[in-house]
Amino acid sequence: DAGVIQSPRHEVTEMGQEVTLRCKPISGHDYLFWYRQTMMRGLELLIYFNNNVPIDDSGMPEDRFSAKMPNASFSTLKIQPSEPRDSAVYFCASSFSAGGSEQYFGPGTRLTVT
Amino acid sequence: GQSLEQPSEVTAVEGAIVQINCTYQTSGFYGLSWYQQHDGGAPTFLSYNGLDGLEETGRFSSFLSRSDSYGYLLLQELQMKDSASYFCVLNSGYSTLTFGKGTMLLVSP
Repeated sequence: DAGVIQSPRHEVTEMGQEVTLRCKPISGHDYLFWYRQTMMRGLELLIYFNNNVPIDDSGMPEDRFSAKMPNASFSTLKIQPSEPRDSAVYFCASSFSAGGSEQYFGPGTRLTVT
Repeated sequence: GQSLEQPSEVTAVEGAIVQINCTYQTSGFYGLSWYQQHDGGAPTFLSYNGLDGLEETGRFSSFLSRSDSYGYLLLQELQMKDSASYFCVLNSGYSTLTFGKGTMLLVSP
């Protein structure tokens, strides 16, 4: 398996623009997670899905952020409108029910909002 | 709420043994995990302690004491490639992970 796939790997955009990050989880995994990592706040869980259904979105910073999982092999995290403070590395991770605590992370998307 | 404390940086030499400590505060959790992250890379799972005691995986071992709200990661026979950040992680729900701020390990020749 290719592992968790994220695109784009790097994104530079201007404040106010819409940003869409994409993730393909490992086949067979039924959990999908979106994280954000910054120097100041570390690695934070934004939202997670189980069987394509959002379970906990309490980490989503505000209404500008939204996430969807239309099917088992694809998820998006959208920021609209983007702000400079959204600059961070966004990771997608997946796991399967019987896997316990082990989550498999994608390579991340480095977002820079100018 | 939940919180984890771990040192921000640890230095050691090749071949040595290093221990990275973690203390935590939580109202309830399933276990403690450790993840490794190389600079610019993705976090990767190292170990999980669901019960008190020591878990060993090759050169790495992890320990948990629930009564002391304490755990550690022990790395033996250090190699240059072990230079990375190591995160102490609370498993507070089946799929909910709370990451500490991480410990940067610098291994020198």
